[in-house]
Amino acid sequence: QQPVQSPQAVILREGEDAVINCSSSKALYSVHWYRQKHGEAPVFLMILLKGGEQKGHEKISASFNEKKQQSSLYLTASQLSYSGTYFCGTDPFGNEKLTFGTGTRLTIIP
Amino acid sequence: SAVISQKPSRDICQRGTSLTIQCQVDSQVTMMFWYRQQPGQSLTLIATANQGSEATYESGFVIDKFPISRPNLTFSTLTVSNLSPEDSSIYLCSARDRGRVGYTFGSGTRLTVV
Repeated sequence: QQPVQSPQAVILREGEDAVINCSSSKALYSVHWYRQKHGEAPVFLMILLKGGEQKGHEKISASFNEKKQQSSLYLTASQLSYSGTYFCGTDPFGNEKLTFGTGTRLTIIP
Repeated sequence: SAVISQKPSRDICQRGTSLTIQCQVDSQVTMMFWYRQQPGQSLTLIATANQGSEATYESGFVIDKFPISRPNLTFSTLTVSNLSPEDSSIYLCSARDRGRVGYTFGSGTRLTVV
């Protein structure tokens, strides 16, 4: 079953913060986050592993609630370059197969 | 991170024909993945390709329609067979470096079936 992301789309002014949520119906081993710009391939941002380990970038962070089977991506002081569609990718079994979420389109305006 | 070269970048094909998409990775990787993405939609996993064994297909995808080759640890091909307009989509390959945490994607192949 495909993870559900919310919101579906959001428009922010440069400098504002954003939160994108990913909810799964299955228990998760790991959650990945990717950003895809129009006409380009997805680019890896962050991974969260069962047990709380987190890896990623400075102004982009994430949380992983294993009990609720949810993850949230936090974008701080958004920049124009943050625009794109964000996808979570979930791996329930640790077998490296990702199921991608429904996607969230983020638009940053000056 | 790994660099994946995917080709062709786009093609227009006639109904009933086939298209083979190639992905070359600049390092050895254990598993490669093939996805389909309709414009404006999410990515759907087609199959997982391991070197030296048959590919593993996801529900709704079959080997006769999407045969996959994985002759070595740096290369894979996906063929989309007996094309119909419903096959028009973007196809992407993906892999993960040993020791890396995230996946790298090829640049994608935009297929249009007429």
